[in-house]
Amino acid sequence: SQQGEEDPQALSIQEGENATMNCSYKTSINNLQWYRQNSGRGLVHLILIRSNEREKHSGRLRVTLDTSKKSSSLLITASRAADTASYFCATLDPGGGRALTFGSGTRLQVQP
Amino acid sequence: GAGVSQSPRYKVAKRGQDVALRCDPISGHVSLFWYQQALGQGPEFLTYFQNEAQLDKSGLPSDRFFAERPEGSVSTLKIQRTQQEDSAVYLCASSLVLGQGSAEAFFGQGTRLTVV
Repeated sequence: SQQGEEDPQALSIQEGENATMNCSYKTSINNLQWYRQNSGRGLVHLILIRSNEREKHSGRLRVTLDTSKKSSSLLITASRAADTASYFCATLDPGGGRALTFGSGTRLQVQP
Repeated sequence: GAGVSQSPRYKVAKRGQDVALRCDPISGHVSLFWYQQALGQGPEFLTYFQNEAQLDKSGLPSDRFFAERPEGSVSTLKIQRTQQEDSAVYLCASSLVLGQGSAEAFFGQGTRLTVV
């Protein structure tokens, strides 16, 4: 079963615009990670935010985490056509196993 | 190698056929994971190895699925008597640390299995 649910399921924007994707999860977490997957490829790790952090930046990426609402958001600023991909949040349950649980993903299309 | 390598990239199997999917993790990575990804969905956990020990196989959907990592490096996921519902992309990931909790996991490009 999938822990996280991303919202929206699909997003289409113009190059240069910002893209915001949201993730909600059900159980308490140790940390939350975001991954990108280009069509037909494996997943690439983008950023990890720990449960005691509220915001984290990496280049054009900004991630927020609200543990009281069990939600996270990924913001990509000044999007580029190369950002076209599926984006997944993934969580690690502190009381569970050692593997990540992934959401169903947001498919982002950036139009040039 | 430079990254996680999976082979074959594509596999077409007739229903009832056995298949074996291979994963070469990054050298020295302790943890190895297998995931199954259906079209349009996120990856779903299958099984986890710490070195050669299979510590968690709770995600394997049936006893037709079997995974091994005998020498703590290369891993093989075997599916016996394949069914159409087994059609998916099978992803392998490795991590330097125990589990995937505190560090990124590196994923291979996956094996796309189509059962006809």
